[in-house]
Amino acid sequence: AQKVTQAQTEISVVEKEDVTLDCVYETRDTTYYLFWYKQPPSGELVFLIRRNSFDEQNEISGRYSWNFQKSTSSFNFTITASQVVDSAVYFCALSVRYGQNFVFGPGTRLSVLP
Amino acid sequence: EAGVTQFPSHSVIEKGQTVTLRCDPISGHDNLYWYRRVMGKEIKFLLHFVKESKQDESGMPNNRFLAERTGGTYSTLKVQPAELEDSGVYFCASSQEVSRRGELFFGEGSRLTVL
Repeated sequence: AQKVTQAQTEISVVEKEDVTLDCVYETRDTTYYLFWYKQPPSGELVFLIRRNSFDEQNEISGRYSWNFQKSTSSFNFTITASQVVDSAVYFCALSVRYGQNFVFGPGTRLSVLP
Repeated sequence: EAGVTQFPSHSVIEKGQTVTLRCDPISGHDNLYWYRRVMGKEIKFLLHFVKESKQDESGMPNNRFLAERTGGTYSTLKVQPAELEDSGVYFCASSQEVSRRGELFFGEGSRLTVL
């Protein structure tokens, strides 16, 4: 069985601070896919990134960066110089079949204060 | 391009009543999924359609839930009779047969409140 843990339920930061959202996953499959989704107040889940288990290269996209470490089963997400618009609930998810049947973490609510 | 649309956005019903949620996936997406998040819990997988066929319905909680996707386009999820524990947000998602990024495109969810 698969499991995703996001230990931080809520985080509050002041604008321009850096913030890291933690994600730890469990699976016995050797091939799997990790995702981060953002849920703004409007409710939809917005795709941010996918990582394959065989690709541990970290990724940066603007102010967002992701650190994938198989040794610790973690896939952490960092927002640099946070902005108020980053306020949302962020979900980490795991899939062992490409693009299917996600297992979600409980989510981390990020509040960025002006 | 229109995204995944769900209707209604919010439904309030009494215990024992019936509710039908509808999902219109992105045009051309063969894969359609239902997920739900009940209060304080994780988002959980319910089932997966490939076109009109149920590929995986292992997440359906019980036989009070019935999902259909006639014609392989939109899908409905009926809850009959609704119970208090069914309250939550029901998400629909869709994807192409082969999605380059492996992502699911989610709708805004249908919030169900059972009183």
